Amino acid sequence: EAGVAQSPRYKIIEKRQSVAFWCNPISGHATLYWYQQILGQGPKLLIQFQNNGVVDDSQLPKDRFSAERLKGVDSTLKIQPAKLEDSAVYLCASSLVPRAQHNFGPGTRLTVL
Amino acid sequence: QQQVKQSPQSLIVQKGGISIINCAYENTAFDYFPWYQQFPGKGPALLIAIRPDVSEKKEGRFTISFNKSAKQFSLHIMDSQPGDSATYFCAARETSGSRLTFGEGTQLTVNP
Repeated sequence: EAGVAQSPRYKIIEKRQSVAFWCNPISGHATLYWYQQILGQGPKLLIQFQNNGVVDDSQLPKDRFSAERLKGVDSTLKIQPAKLEDSAVYLCASSLVPRAQHNFGPGTRLTVL
Repeated sequence: QQQVKQSPQSLIVQKGGISIINCAYENTAFDYFPWYQQFPGKGPALLIAIRPDVSEKKEGRFTISFNKSAKQFSLHIMDSQPGDSATYFCAARETSGSRLTFGEGTQLTVNP
């Protein structure tokens, strides 16, 4: 079984620029999560999708972050405009159903200069 | 905001020794407590997990001890090996949803 795929693996941008991350979950997994992991901290949930609907986005900074999962499979997370404090690893995870085991991708490391 | 506190921040043990990492949570709205192992450049991977109706769970060299009344749980790694060197995160899942709340992480180094 192929794992969760993410791209790009690394991204360096200037503050105020925009950036997008892509995630392809494990085939058949209905639930998809985006977590933000700041250096030296544990991951923090940004948004959870069930198929193509948002279940939990209570910790998503909606003034600059957006995410979509239009066809209930792949997902993109966008930051516009980026701030220095957005420097982090962005992890995508998927699970077969809600509350099942999270399967994490390798993450995208974002550096904002 | 629900929180999970993890200690120590870093841990160095000798090969063959026991590694112990502790976590504490603040309220009772959690129903599942997983531990994740993360290697540099990789995403967290589930190591072992426990539910609050069980006081201990063992899988190979890894054991979770759970104290519901104290709201604490810990990971014990027996016969620690250099390959166990990684960052370990405890987490807790909310009763009402799927969100995992993670501890701050423990960087474990096992010296040969």
